[in-house]
Amino acid sequence: ETGVTQTPRHLVMGMTNKKSLKCEQHLGHNAMYWYKQSAKKPLELMFVYSLEERVENNSVPSRFSPECPNSSHLFLHLHTLQPEDSALYLCASSQLPGGETQYFGPGTRLLVL
Amino acid sequence: GQNIDQPTEMTATEGAIVQINCTYQTSGFNGLFWYQQHAGEAPTFLSYNVLDGLEEKGRFSSFLSRSKGYSYLLLKELQMKDSASYLCAVREQFSGGYNKLIFGAGTRLAVHP
Repeated sequence: ETGVTQTPRHLVMGMTNKKSLKCEQHLGHNAMYWYKQSAKKPLELMFVYSLEERVENNSVPSRFSPECPNSSHLFLHLHTLQPEDSALYLCASSQLPGGETQYFGPGTRLLVL
Repeated sequence: GQNIDQPTEMTATEGAIVQINCTYQTSGFNGLFWYQQHAGEAPTFLSYNVLDGLEEKGRFSSFLSRSKGYSYLLLKELQMKDSASYLCAVREQFSGGYNKLIFGAGTRLAVHP
């Protein structure tokens, strides 16, 4: 247990569906992150939030929409995804934004049909 | 640009020692992390180096040479539970003092009896 939880753990969706991924951290951290992990590829940083304000958006397609209502919760809203978006989506948090030791959640394994 | 290289796969025998290398080329180096990730689980923090030299933590040690752009993770007295992927991540400083982590693709280690 790292203190970061994610739901659901597995998700299968069609290309026309709308779904949301949820992340919650119980560590009192101020920064939260979304990463995409595809097979045999490095973790790709998608979004960074610091004190609920987005500070980084790594040119992610608009079909991915993040939301950070407070410093403990982070969502990733998914809409009209493509099969190549199938991956493991990892949430992480850290005390400060930008590269401090990050603690990861277990991830959501997403399959887009 | 940023480039982080580590071997894709390694195998080792239970009780032995294994060294996982990581080379990097970045423009604003500000520290290096090693994470362990078991299949289907969250990456977990192992070590952090920002100065040259060896950091020892139990069976695991991590070494950094900033002038050579090189790090290694040393695992001693290997156990079956050490079978996992090991991720090298460099912390880079960008304009405005903001840091972020750049990950390598990971090294999948298989420990055999």
